[in-house]
Amino acid sequence: DTAVSQTPKYLVTQMGNDKSIKCEQNLGHDTMYWYKQDSKKFLKIMFSYNNKELIINETVPNRFSPKSPDKAHLNLHINSLELGDSAVYFCASSLLLASTGELFFGEGSRLTVL
Amino acid sequence: DQQVKQNSPSLSVQEGRISILNCDYTNSMFDYFLWYKKYPAEGPTFLISISSIKDKNEDGRFTVFLNKSAKHLSLHIVPSQPGDSAVYFCAASGTGFQKLVFGTGTRLLVSP
Repeated sequence: DTAVSQTPKYLVTQMGNDKSIKCEQNLGHDTMYWYKQDSKKFLKIMFSYNNKELIINETVPNRFSPKSPDKAHLNLHINSLELGDSAVYFCASSLLLASTGELFFGEGSRLTVL
Repeated sequence: DQQVKQNSPSLSVQEGRISILNCDYTNSMFDYFLWYKKYPAEGPTFLISISSIKDKNEDGRFTVFLNKSAKHLSLHIVPSQPGDSAVYFCAASGTGFQKLVFGTGTRLLVSP
């Protein structure tokens, strides 16, 4: 029973298209995140939502729009895709006040923009 | 600006020996440090963490050491096993854990 699940796992698309990645967690966590791992293997936070409220919004182009319909879901929509958007996108969740700061990650969604 | 650095992209160790993975950070406001392990085609999984008020934390074969004056931490795996072969990420955060800053990872290969 997958704790943090992302779909799709692989996504290949053309420049200029719009695409979405969905994420769901069944851990009962109150906070969800999107991280991006680029070609240099940097894993960087993009967004974080706590109880459906945006709490972290890093310097990300506004072509990226996260949406959290409820605590268990955080989706990422990307408009007008560019070559530089090619990366692996990881969803994660946690309890905001957890004592260890542990995040639970999904398997990642590999986006390739041609 | 790379606040968390893992300068060794890879490490090879024989089974049964000690693996030492290193991590340096620049932000003195970090007060919590974590290690994550990642297998191919999977997300990172939490391994062990340490608060800045400690200098050592141990969990089975895994020990993390923190040297705050040097802004350096290390992960020791003893004894190393082939199943430990993975990419290990160091991460750091300030209070609240809301924003983990990750290093670029060290690929560990443990050979039988």
